[in-house]
Amino acid sequence: NAGVTQTPKFQVLKTGQSMTLQCAQDMNHEYMSWYRQDPGMGLRLIHYSVGAGITDQGEVPNGYNVSRSTTEDFPLRLLSAAPSQTSVYFCASRGLAEPYNEQFFGPGTRLTVL
Amino acid sequence: AQSVSQHNHHVILSEAASLELGCNYSYGGTVNLFWYVQYPGQHLQLLLKYFSGDPLVKGIKGFEAEFIKSKFSFNLRKPSVQWSDTAEYFCAVTTPNDYKLSFGAGTTVTVRA
Repeated sequence: NAGVTQTPKFQVLKTGQSMTLQCAQDMNHEYMSWYRQDPGMGLRLIHYSVGAGITDQGEVPNGYNVSRSTTEDFPLRLLSAAPSQTSVYFCASRGLAEPYNEQFFGPGTRLTVL
Repeated sequence: AQSVSQHNHHVILSEAASLELGCNYSYGGTVNLFWYVQYPGQHLQLLLKYFSGDPLVKGIKGFEAEFIKSKFSFNLRKPSVQWSDTAEYFCAVTTPNDYKLSFGAGTTVTVRA
């Protein structure tokens, strides 16, 4: 099992550009989520999904879109990048069958918006 | 959403010293509690978790945490740290009917050889 994979690992964008951060998991997990990590602020939830076709907003959803067309994939789209979106982005997944399972995290994408 | 407070932003220790990191949460009902570690340049890994039973939880790499319900706390401890414990440590909480994790701001631990 590869677990949770994310691409790219690093990305530099100019203000106003759009891009998609990819996330995939091969554990057949229903729940997937995106976090951003900023110094001194821990991890903040952007969007999450409890299954294909179902998404919902987290704590800091503005400027980001998600979709969940398959169980495996959960891409995060930045529609018009802003310097405030410079951050490290983590994707995570977990199963729903056992309520207390841990979340598994991907390696992260470090995004810089100039 | 629950709020999670980690008391220390940065802790600097010498090898073999004992470590205790504080974590408090705001939710008054049943909670599930986690400590994650992030080594430099790596992703988050689970150290330990609590959801019921013995309030003293043992995790990987010699770490343990104690859940004190009356104090809304879940402090992380290690009796003797090593240089390889240099990392950022995150406390996180969720409730049984909510899959979303709320994280604390993190504590950076630097262990000097």
